[in-house]
Amino acid sequence: DQQVKQNSPSLSVQEGRISILNCDYTNSMFDYFLWYKKYPAEGPTFLISISSIKDKNEDGRFTVFLNKSAKHLSLHIVPSQPGDSAVYFCAASASSGNTGKLIFGQGTTLQVKP
Amino acid sequence: DVKVTQSSRYLVKRTGEKVFLECVQDMDHENMFWYRQDPGLGLRLIYFSYDVKMKEKGDIPEGYSVSREKKERFSLILESASTNQTSMYLCASRTTQGYRQPQHFGDGTRLSIL
Repeated sequence: DQQVKQNSPSLSVQEGRISILNCDYTNSMFDYFLWYKKYPAEGPTFLISISSIKDKNEDGRFTVFLNKSAKHLSLHIVPSQPGDSAVYFCAASASSGNTGKLIFGQGTTLQVKP
Repeated sequence: DVKVTQSSRYLVKRTGEKVFLECVQDMDHENMFWYRQDPGLGLRLIYFSYDVKMKEKGDIPEGYSVSREKKERFSLILESASTNQTSMYLCASRTTQGYRQPQHFGDGTRLSIL
């Protein structure tokens, strides 16, 4: 049972345009969400996070939106750059127990074309 | 910067061998995690550790065990390697100081079981 789903395995956008990566979750206990970026032959690196008390968090070119009623979050990258080409994973956690345990989606491969 | 170091980038072993994957972090983090990453499945949690000598099963612990004798080191053990354990293995660590700290990952070990 996949509790966190990224339904688009891949996405291709033109440099300078907006990239929108989507993520859906099923567990209503999730209250903290993160995005990680992963280049080939490297480990995932933390990008941005959002708590369920917010519906938007922004960091430079990266903005994460959370729609709790739809159990949906999205990552917007504006403007997209070729260096953003990577695999993006969304992840979710529940505050109960504060174990820091994350549930990851399957990942979306973003290609930004020059 | 947090440094999570995995002892091997690439490893080839034979079916039935006992395999040790080592992970060391240099930031005195309390929590440590082992994941495997497979195409189309994202990152799946094998085991995690709250602190020294403490461990908990993740979502796919079968065929694996772990050891955390020192705070900085978390070892993953494949008791009797099988071909379905061929995968990319990722270690992560996290501090419990402060609110909702992200996990920091090593660069991974690509393990092939022949």
